[in-house]
Amino acid sequence: DVKVTQSSRYLVKRTGEKVFLECVQDMDHENMFWYRQDPGLGLRLIYFSYDVKMKEKGDIPEGYSVSREKKERFSLILESASTNQTSMYLCASRPGGGGAGQPQHFGDGTRLSIL
Amino acid sequence: AQSVTQPDIHITVSEGASLELRCNYSYGATPYLFWYVQSPGQGLQLLLKYFSGDTLVQGIKGFEAEFKRSQSSFNLRKPSVHWSDAAEYFCAVGGSSNTGKLIFGQGTTLQVKP
Repeated sequence: DVKVTQSSRYLVKRTGEKVFLECVQDMDHENMFWYRQDPGLGLRLIYFSYDVKMKEKGDIPEGYSVSREKKERFSLILESASTNQTSMYLCASRPGGGGAGQPQHFGDGTRLSIL
Repeated sequence: AQSVTQPDIHITVSEGASLELRCNYSYGATPYLFWYVQSPGQGLQLLLKYFSGDTLVQGIKGFEAEFKRSQSSFNLRKPSVHWSDAAEYFCAVGGSSNTGKLIFGQGTTLQVKP
């Protein structure tokens, strides 16, 4: 089974802090994704990476950056946390080959609160 | 523009009753369609997917979905709901790009009455 592990289930940080959310997958997947999930809005894509050191902005990249130095790890960075970034953050991965029908596999999420 | 709409934000059904969750999509090319389920405090789990062939697809946990191109719909069904099916359900659409990007609907929360 694919395992996508997010380092923290719950995180509380203060406004202005630099925040790191970590995600590790164990299936050698090329593609990795960061989403935020808010009630009534579903999942919105923040950034994705299609290979090591390769990244692309998603629909809501403002206030975020990412890092992918190793294939298995994809980090989301909040450069200067603000209260409107309080949310549930979900990481996902999928194989790069095999066509568009390959599903994404999700971690359990990190519920981040910015005070 | 590509989009996914789940018209029902919240649905309540009695245990043992049948279930249908609606999903409508807007996509210019052949869509790849997915249904995911999210139990409280968990990530998303894939229920089923469609990208070609038989328009009625079977998934895990007794769920099925039917692709109707003429109606741009991909509704999820289950003949008899169990209390453990209470969760949030997401429909998603992707395209031919190998990046695997998906567009998600807003989600439907299912409550099951005993």
